[in-house]
Amino acid sequence: DTGVSQDPRHKITKRGQNVTFRCDPISEHNRLYWYRQTLGQGPEFLTYFQNEAQLEKSRLLSDRFSAERPKGSFSTLEIQRTEQGDSAMYLCASSSSRGGGTGELFFGEGSRLTVL
Amino acid sequence: AQSVSQHNHHVILSEAASLELGCNYSYGGTVNLFWYVQYPGQHLQLLLKYFSGDPLVKGIKGFEAEFIKSKFSFNLRKPSVQWSDTAEYFCAPSNQAGTALIFGKGTTLSVSS
Repeated sequence: DTGVSQDPRHKITKRGQNVTFRCDPISEHNRLYWYRQTLGQGPEFLTYFQNEAQLEKSRLLSDRFSAERPKGSFSTLEIQRTEQGDSAMYLCASSSSRGGGTGELFFGEGSRLTVL
Repeated sequence: AQSVSQHNHHVILSEAASLELGCNYSYGGTVNLFWYVQYPGQHLQLLLKYFSGDPLVKGIKGFEAEFIKSKFSFNLRKPSVQWSDTAEYFCAPSNQAGTALIFGKGTTLSVSS
């Protein structure tokens, strides 16, 4: 499968613990996005990278959240000191800016976080 | 402020019925428009997109959408739904570069056979 892959698919943790999610985008895609989705809502933008540069980060994003894409390939999203309100599906998507970019994002299956 | 509104939260139809899902957006500048679909247990995938030109665009599985600039709308339609169309549908405007995609809350479509 050459699509976007995310790991782990499901993470259960206790409040206050740190968690990290990994995303491997489609190999030729230089843009990578993180979204969060809660029940009954559409995906909410968190941050995006072009190559290794983090170009935009949601103002709603707590300082407990950090994302990296050190070599411009895979990315990690870390949540420190998790809270119950962090429980959600974390979605990764990738796209290509070649040809100016078209806005079509390719999504992974998501990592579901449950904070107890 | 950028926003998108989907008119229906949950739509229930019988097979062969016609479908129209409403979407209105508020987005500064030139906008690209998308509908994404999420089938049960699957990831989000593109249903159709509008960039420019003919305001009536066709997507996969017989879906189409019409861009009406004056109404800031991008409604999704299908003449005859099938049971396999049961899914959640998201309207999503974006900037031209595709780096600022925002999603509506989604419409759950349930089709009974």
